[in-house]
Amino acid sequence: AQSVTQLDSHVSVSEGTPVLLRCNYSSSYSPSLFWYVQHPNKGLQLLLKYTSAATLVKGINGFEAEFKKSETSFHLTKPSAHMSDAAEYFCVVSNDYKLSFGAGTTVTVRA
Amino acid sequence: EPEVTQTPSHQVTQMGQEVILRCVPISNHLYFYWYRQILGQKVEFLVSFYNNEISEKSEIFDDQFSVERPDGSNFTLKIRSTKLEDSAMYFCASTGDSTDTQYFGPGTRLTVL
Repeated sequence: AQSVTQLDSHVSVSEGTPVLLRCNYSSSYSPSLFWYVQHPNKGLQLLLKYTSAATLVKGINGFEAEFKKSETSFHLTKPSAHMSDAAEYFCVVSNDYKLSFGAGTTVTVRA
Repeated sequence: EPEVTQTPSHQVTQMGQEVILRCVPISNHLYFYWYRQILGQKVEFLVSFYNNEISEKSEIFDDQFSVERPDGSNFTLKIRSTKLEDSAMYFCASTGDSTDTQYFGPGTRLTVL
C-alpha cells in the first residue's frame, strides 16, 4: 500500500517569509498526491493535486508543490506566508481511490 | 460553487446509543466516502460507496457501522451502539469519478459520553 510521511509536525514562520512543508511518499508506481489544508473548526480543503501531468503543481492561495521521483518527495512551498495560512496541512496519497493521510503539519505564522 | 454539507456539526451522545451522521454530497457525484479523525491522530478511511453498495471498507468499519443512501441526495453513516472510542470528527467526501479529487464536507464532531 502507498503511504506518506510528513517530516515536520509543526512549522513556525514569520509573516512574509517562505513556508516549506515536507512530505515523502512510498509507492510502487506513480502515485496521485494531494495537499489538503484544514483551518481551525473547518473542513478539509484541497490545495493542489499531482497526477503526473507536470512535476510542479500550482495550487490555491499561492501554494505550489514539486513532485521529485528521485527523492520520493512532494514538498509544499509558498514564497511569502500570510497570517491566514495558519492551519494544519495534510499530505495525502490516493490508494486504490481511497485516501491515505499523513499525520499533518501545523503551521503557525508570527506577525 | 457546489460543496459537500454535513449535519449536525456537533453531536453529543451517551455510550450505547445509536447515531446517524448525515451528508449531502455534491449533486452530480457518484462516489461517496466517510473518513474519521480521532483527536490528535491521522485522518482515517472508513468506507467508500458507489452504485448503492459499499465498494471498500477499512478494518475500523465493523458491524456497528453502516452506510446508506436513502434518497437521491443524502448519504448517511450510522453507528448502532456508540463506544467512547467512536468520539472523533467524521468527514464525508464525494467525487464524480473514482480517480478524481475528493471534496470534503466540514465534518461532524461526535462526542460519546
